[in-house]
Amino acid sequence: NAGVMQNPRHLVRRRGQEARLRCSPMKGHSHVYWYRQLPEEGLKFMVYLQKENIIDESGMPKERFSAEFPKEGPSILRIQQVVRGDSAAYFCASSPGTSGTYNEQFFGPGTRLTVL
Amino acid sequence: DQQVKQNSPSLSVQEGRISILNCDYTNSMFDYFLWYKKYPAEGPTFLISISSIKDKNEDGRFTVFLNKSAKHLSLHIVPSQPGDSAVYFCAASDPFSSGSARQLTFGSGTQLTVLP
Repeated sequence: NAGVMQNPRHLVRRRGQEARLRCSPMKGHSHVYWYRQLPEEGLKFMVYLQKENIIDESGMPKERFSAEFPKEGPSILRIQQVVRGDSAAYFCASSPGTSGTYNEQFFGPGTRLTVL
Repeated sequence: DQQVKQNSPSLSVQEGRISILNCDYTNSMFDYFLWYKKYPAEGPTFLISISSIKDKNEDGRFTVFLNKSAKHLSLHIVPSQPGDSAVYFCAASDPFSSGSARQLTFGSGTQLTVLP
């Protein structure tokens, strides 16, 4: 049973370009979370999605960032017009998800975005 | 506003001795707490968790203690091994944040180094 997969593992972009980060959850998991880790900091929640639905995007910057989790295919975190401050490690986690109870989140290896 | 704090950025311990990692929180609504371990260039790996209805949970060499009145939890590793050297993150979940999202709020991490 493959774990959470993220690609690419490393992504280099110049300022103003777009970054697309992909996440395939564990088999059987329908809930996806995106977290961002800035240097020397802990992980910060960005967005929570279920298939075809954004449930909570309270941690997402208001501009340039978007996320989706289509019916088919991986979840995508998209950053438009990247700036140097977007340089960070972006982690995806998945869980089976049952409302009202806690379900352990399993993390992928992360995508390290570097903006030149 | 940091709701989960790990005040020690680093800790060094001799192999075979006890490692104690500490975590404080401010949100009294947190009802589930977790410890994750992270190696460089990898995603966080779940280690152990505890529900707020308990004050102790043990799994092999790892024990987590929760003191709700002090809003404090700690992770004990006994005996410590060189392979335990990693960054340890404390995380907490609030059942009332964003419905069933169950996002995790992370501390900034403690780098544990176990010396042979």
